[in-house]
Amino acid sequence: EVQLVESGGGLVQPGRSLRLSCAASGFTFDDYGMHWVRQAPGKGLEWVSGVSWNGGTTDYADSVKGRFTISRDNAKNSLYMQMNSLRAEDTALYYCAKADSWFSGAFDVWGQGTMVTVSS
Amino acid sequence: EIVMTQSPATLSVSPGERATLSCRASQSISSNLAWYQQKPGQAPRLLIYGASTRATGIPARFSGSGSGTEFTLTIYSLQSEDFAVYYCQQFNNWPWTFGQGTKVEIK
Repeated sequence: EVQLVESGGGLVQPGRSLRLSCAASGFTFDDYGMHWVRQAPGKGLEWVSGVSWNGGTTDYADSVKGRFTISRDNAKNSLYMQMNSLRAEDTALYYCAKADSWFSGAFDVWGQGTMVTVSS
Repeated sequence: EIVMTQSPATLSVSPGERATLSCRASQSISSNLAWYQQKPGQAPRLLIYGASTRATGIPARFSGSGSGTEFTLTIYSLQSEDFAVYYCQQFNNWPWTFGQGTKVEIK
């Protein structure tokens, strides 16, 4: 079964850091690009960041550039997001999503999400 | 940044009827468009990619069309499980952007 399972969310104070993880199974992880997409409470979907199959290409939304770092460990079938200098507006459910190609494309597999709440 | 605009924001449809959802891109994205369905408390699910190709396991009543800047998702004969929020997304240019969503509700 193809599956993505996120972890690492929680309540954090503004300015602090958090590291999200996404464990993949059921497909050849290092063949595909991987992405993070977030959804603020009651709002729509916002693409956050993506990484190519080998980690050689990364992209970020302007809203997180310079604060968030995406990475992957193909030996562990895992995707990560290091989130620094967190702000209240980063509060959201963070989804891990698999692209249908080496970097971008449609997101054909999604995890159930991990909630990040930034509040003092 | 490419802005994706969906209309209408809310669509009220009776079961068995057809729903037509629109998505417009602020510049041409060729056929690099996907449609997703999201139900309350669930992750999005890919319905359509490449503007018109159904994803694995998606029923034939879901149909996507369009290219360039104008796209349509048609749901023929709405079933109870189809009432949800639908998002379009472009993957032609960074940053990959989503529309704001169309909620399909029971009339």
